[in-house]
Amino acid sequence: TQLLEQSPQFLSIQEGENLTVYCNSSSVFSSLQWYRQEPGEGPVLLVTVVTGGEVKKLKRLTFQFGDARKDSSLHITAAQPGDTGLYLCAETYQGAQKLVFGQGTRLTINP
Amino acid sequence: GAGVSQTPSNKVTEKGKYVELRCDPISGHTALYWYRQSLGQGPEFLIYFQGTGAADDSGLPNDRFFAVRPEGSVSTLKIQRTERGDSAVYLCASSSTGGAGETQYFGPGTRLLVL
Repeated sequence: TQLLEQSPQFLSIQEGENLTVYCNSSSVFSSLQWYRQEPGEGPVLLVTVVTGGEVKKLKRLTFQFGDARKDSSLHITAAQPGDTGLYLCAETYQGAQKLVFGQGTRLTINP
Repeated sequence: GAGVSQTPSNKVTEKGKYVELRCDPISGHTALYWYRQSLGQGPEFLIYFQGTGAADDSGLPNDRFFAVRPEGSVSTLKIQRTERGDSAVYLCASSSTGGAGETQYFGPGTRLLVL
């Protein structure tokens, strides 16, 4: 079974700082998705990365897919309190429809 | 509504009781998914429906869990003889056709607490 490990598990920083969170796998990803989940809500898709080495930007968020497609990172520039939430990476395992999620990084941005 | 809705939003029950959780997918979406999210963890897949049929139920933990989607729209997740370990947030998602890698849209979840 595909195992996705996310690090760090918890991160608390001050508004305006930069941060990076990671998602690693024991196997090659077919594609990787990043989600953000706020309290009391379901996960919301942020981005899908497919090609090794791919970089995608979403405002202050930069997503990178490793060249070997076994790892990915999410970098946030000048973090804001609205970025607070649980960040999850997920893969559609072996091309199936179901998503396999990591355990998430719980991010808190302090004003 | 425009999104996936789930009812109830919260459910408290006693050990051994039976519960039903309901999911209303986005209108027209043929694929529907159930996931379970325990405290401090990411969601775990339970079951996937394509239309009325369960195309993949490999994530159901045991035979106390059952789900139906009789008309290819609303789905109900049924849990018999609930146990304290069943306490979690149960998430439902839907996607347009169920293609691999297709965006899944999640509902807000039902928070189940088994006392």
